[in-house]
Amino acid sequence: DAGITQSPRHKVTETGTPVTLRCHQTENHRYMYWYRQDPGHGLRLIHYSYGVKDTDKGEVSDGYSVSRSKTEDFLLTLESATSSQTSVYFCANRRQGSYEQYFGPGTRLTVT
Amino acid sequence: QQQVKQSPQSLIVQKGGISIINCAYENTAFDYFPWYQQFPGKGPALLIAIRPDVSEKKEGRFTISFNKSAKQFSLHIMDSQPGDSATYFCAASYNNQFYFGTGTSLTVIP
Repeated sequence: DAGITQSPRHKVTETGTPVTLRCHQTENHRYMYWYRQDPGHGLRLIHYSYGVKDTDKGEVSDGYSVSRSKTEDFLLTLESATSSQTSVYFCANRRQGSYEQYFGPGTRLTVT
Repeated sequence: QQQVKQSPQSLIVQKGGISIINCAYENTAFDYFPWYQQFPGKGPALLIAIRPDVSEKKEGRFTISFNKSAKQFSLHIMDSQPGDSATYFCAASYNNQFYFGTGTSLTVIP
């Protein structure tokens, strides 16, 4: 069990508006990840964090920013949402020293 | 550019049969190869994983076969059951990052 909650679980927003998705873990795992899942693409890494205030880009980071001010929370922000960012977003965590990654339930975001 | 290529896109198997899903990669820096199972509306769940120094790993009905020289790995599901119907993703990891295949939708017919 990942001990991960994501909020909101569903969101519809308009093009050009800012959106923030939240990932919360009950464990104190060092690593946290944000992915997007789209048909035909599998899961693609957006950003990840390797500690409080320590983040790095993934393969599809353009248009997204992240912040991690506490071990348990990892926020994903779309500064100005576009229709191409309509997707299902998953957060995951991973304990230091382990390769095992555990996923949250996902957030379905629709940008109209 | 897809770093991990997965096939087939979809697979239909009779109950009791063997399901086989294949993945290939190019980056020899990858050092961990997990498989995930995902049911509709849920997040992916880690199923089984292998390191490149091992050629095979078995957990119950699930087996990973790993061919380092060919840069290929596969998931075998023995005695497939209707409850195995799900989407399966292979992945590869290095330097704290994970790269996923595009997924295989498995349907097991009773």
